[in-house]
Formats: sequence, structure tokens, C-alpha cells
Amino acid sequence: KQEVTQIPAALSVPEGENLVLNCSFTDSAIYNLQWFRQDPGKGLTSLLLIQSSQREQTSGRLNASLDKSSGRSTLYIAASQPGDSATYLCAVHDWGGNMLTFGGGTRLMVKP
Amino acid sequence: KAGVTQTPRYLIKTRGQQVTLSCSPISGHRSVSWYQQTPGQGLQFLFEYFSETQRNKGNFPGRFSGRQFSNSRSEMNVSTLELGDSALYLCASTSTGDIGELFFGEGSRLTVL
Repeated sequence: KQEVTQIPAALSVPEGENLVLNCSFTDSAIYNLQWFRQDPGKGLTSLLLIQSSQREQTSGRLNASLDKSSGRSTLYIAASQPGDSATYLCAVHDWGGNMLTFGGGTRLMVKP
Repeated sequence: KAGVTQTPRYLIKTRGQQVTLSCSPISGHRSVSWYQQTPGQGLQFLFEYFSETQRNKGNFPGRFSGRQFSNSRSEMNVSTLELGDSALYLCASTSTGDIGELFFGEGSRLTVL
């Protein structure tokens, strides 16, 4: 059974800092991995998707990497802004259907 | 292009009642999956439908059920509601392409009193 862990659970940083969010998973035979953002009381917004054959994906100030062999993914946020404050969720997509296993999330606060 | 639409957004029920939630996927998406989000358990997979057939099911009791219609719209039903069913219920749709990216709706917030 796939298990996904995110560290840290919460993070508070001053504006402008570069930061790294970590995600680990137990079964390396994944289809892809998605990072999401969730604002309080809202749904999930897809940030980046890394296919199993890829090592990284970039979108603006966001960069996500994937190391299947070690069961790890990182989300790098450059030059953080107060608007980045949200919960970030990592989700592993296994083979055999569209079923995601989520980590517990990292709650990020960026202070002005 | 419209996103995933979930209705109702908020609802309040009492124990023992039943509830039906609706999800309209992105146009052209044939896979719809449902998730429950609670503070204690986080996000947990409920079930997935593809072309009107349940393809995967999570570890939830039989009180939780769903279906998908020929236009890909999906409904989930929870019968005999319990206090612990209070949660944000999220629906996601997926294209049939190789990438398998999931797109989520805003969710239905259910409160059971």
C-alpha cells in the first residue's frame, strides 16, 4: 500500500526566501506525481505534474523534482511571496486507474 | 473551458439522513474520482468512475456509493449519515491522455449535526 509523507508539516518564512518542501513515498512504481496548492476552504489547484520518466518540471517560480529510486520529490519555491501562503499537497498516482494517494500537506505562511 | 463543477457547495444534514452530491467534469473528461478531506485523516480516495463503471474503490463503508452517467457527470451518495461524515468532499476529473493529470473542483462542504 502506497504511503506518502510530507515534511515539514508547517513552515513560516519571511518574504523573499527560497524554500524547499519535501515529499516521500514508499512504493517507487508510480505513474506520476502531482503537486497541488490548497487555499483555506477551497479545492485543489494543480501546480506541477511530473511523469515517472521525468526528473523535474518547472512553472514560473516553482520547480519540482522526482527521484523514484529513493522515493522522494521536492517542490522548490523561489523568491517566496505572501500570496504563496497556502497548504501544499503532494500526491502519488499509481498505475491502474486515476487514484491518488496524498501526503498530509505542508502549511506555508510567507510573512511580508 | 469550464472547470470541474460541484454542487451544492455547502450543506447541513442531521444524523441518519442521506445526502447526494453532484460533480460535472471538464468537458471531454471521462474519468471522475471522489475524495474525502477531514482534518484528522487528510485526503482519502473514495472511488473512481470511468465510462459509467466503477474502476477503483477506497476503504470506505458501503454507506458511501456513487454512479456516473452517460454524459460523465457523477453523483455520490452517503446514507445514514454519521457525525464523522462531516468533511469536504472533492471531485476530480481526468483526461484520457497519457499524462493522467487530475483537476479538482471546489468541493462540497458537508456538516452533519
